[in-house]
Amino acid sequence: DADVTQTPRNRITKTGKRIMLECSQTKGHDRMYWYRQDPGLGLRLIYYSFDVKDINKGEISDGYSVSRQAQAKFSLSLESAIPNQTALYFCATSDFPGTGSTDTQYFGPGTRLTVL
Amino acid sequence: KQEVTQIPAALSVPEGENLVLNCSFTDSAIYNLQWFRQDPGKGLTSLLLIQSSQREQTSGRLNASLDKSSGRSTLYIAASQPGDSATYLCAADPSNDYKLSFGAGTTVTVRA
Repeated sequence: DADVTQTPRNRITKTGKRIMLECSQTKGHDRMYWYRQDPGLGLRLIYYSFDVKDINKGEISDGYSVSRQAQAKFSLSLESAIPNQTALYFCATSDFPGTGSTDTQYFGPGTRLTVL
Repeated sequence: KQEVTQIPAALSVPEGENLVLNCSFTDSAIYNLQWFRQDPGKGLTSLLLIQSSQREQTSGRLNASLDKSSGRSTLYIAASQPGDSATYLCAADPSNDYKLSFGAGTTVTVRA
């Protein structure tokens, strides 16, 4: 089984609808992240969480909210979806720096969201 | 704000040729520089991570170099194979808190 899973994998919705993207991990990491990827722009950080009680805005948080339900679960919500939120969304996890791990992030397979 | 650029956006090479992928960043005060591989439908996979105190890292056919003073990193893939076809992204970690700044990636096609 994959260490980082995302649901749904694909979603088409309409402008104004509320959408939730879910992420679960079995790596036991405290740190979790949400990114979006747009063609030609690379990945941009939306929100990140260093533990269940520590949630922070990233570079492009407007129009998004998150919930950290448990160490293993981090959800991203679009309260009222708009077409320019059409993108590929990735969840990622990491350990603390210097713990002897590979000091990198582990990514889920992504959710392709289309807002009509 | 850290800006990360990867040029070219795409390249196509015949099997067996060595690949050279470039990454440039604007702020040399980075904690580390990472290279990822992205395959369609499979997310990103970390390939190599170079700490700021290091000049290069190697893993099998892959070698990545880092020159902080010039704001550049290069990923070399020796003797390319069709299985190397993917998008390669570099990412700079500015402050050891994993708020990575990503480049847009270079999409590589290795022709059999």
